[in-house]
Amino acid sequence: GENVEQHPSTLSVQEGDSAVIKCTYSDSASNYFPWYKQELGKRPQLIIDIRSNVGEKKDQRIAVTLNKTAKHFSLHITETQPEDSAVYFCAASIPGFGNEKLTFGTGTRLTIIP
Amino acid sequence: DTGVSQNPRHKITKRGQNVTFRCDPISEHNRLYWYRQTLGQGPEFLTYFQNEAQLEKSRLLSDRFSAERPKGSFSTLEIQRTEQGDSAMYLCASSSQGVGPNTEAFFGQGTRLTVV
Repeated sequence: GENVEQHPSTLSVQEGDSAVIKCTYSDSASNYFPWYKQELGKRPQLIIDIRSNVGEKKDQRIAVTLNKTAKHFSLHITETQPEDSAVYFCAASIPGFGNEKLTFGTGTRLTIIP
Repeated sequence: DTGVSQNPRHKITKRGQNVTFRCDPISEHNRLYWYRQTLGQGPEFLTYFQNEAQLEKSRLLSDRFSAERPKGSFSTLEIQRTEQGDSAMYLCASSSQGVGPNTEAFFGQGTRLTVV
């Protein structure tokens, strides 16, 4: 089955600086890569996702890049703000009936230092 | 709240007891997923349903675990003879189709189980 690795496990950045979180996946059949943000005591919420036929996607201060050849994808947050502090999870999904589940990375705790 | 709803939010039980959790997905979502999340880890897939059919079960789902979705709406997850290692957050998610490029999975707030 799919295996997703995520680094770093913790990340602290100064407010206003950029943060980058990286993930690798094992199954080349994966075609969907969402990123979830989970604040303390709250549910995971989708913040951005990317399909395997797209190399980069941007939404305001967040962007995701995908390298299918290397089987890795990254989350980029620019101009970080205190409300960006949370745990971020990457995930991958393999298409096809019976495979329709997300395999998550282990998470990155991002702390924005004011 | 029209999102995914889970009950109870917290459950403390003694080792060896049985517990049951409930998940109400977003209305008309035919896919329903159960995940388990332990401290410092990402959600781990347990099982999922398309309507009332259980399509996949993880090897994490031992014989003590059973999930049902009898009418294709809400789902229950039962753990029999609980063990301390079962302590975790149990998350439910739903989607209108299989999770993928055009279909987002929406999560509930989870049920935190503590086995003492």
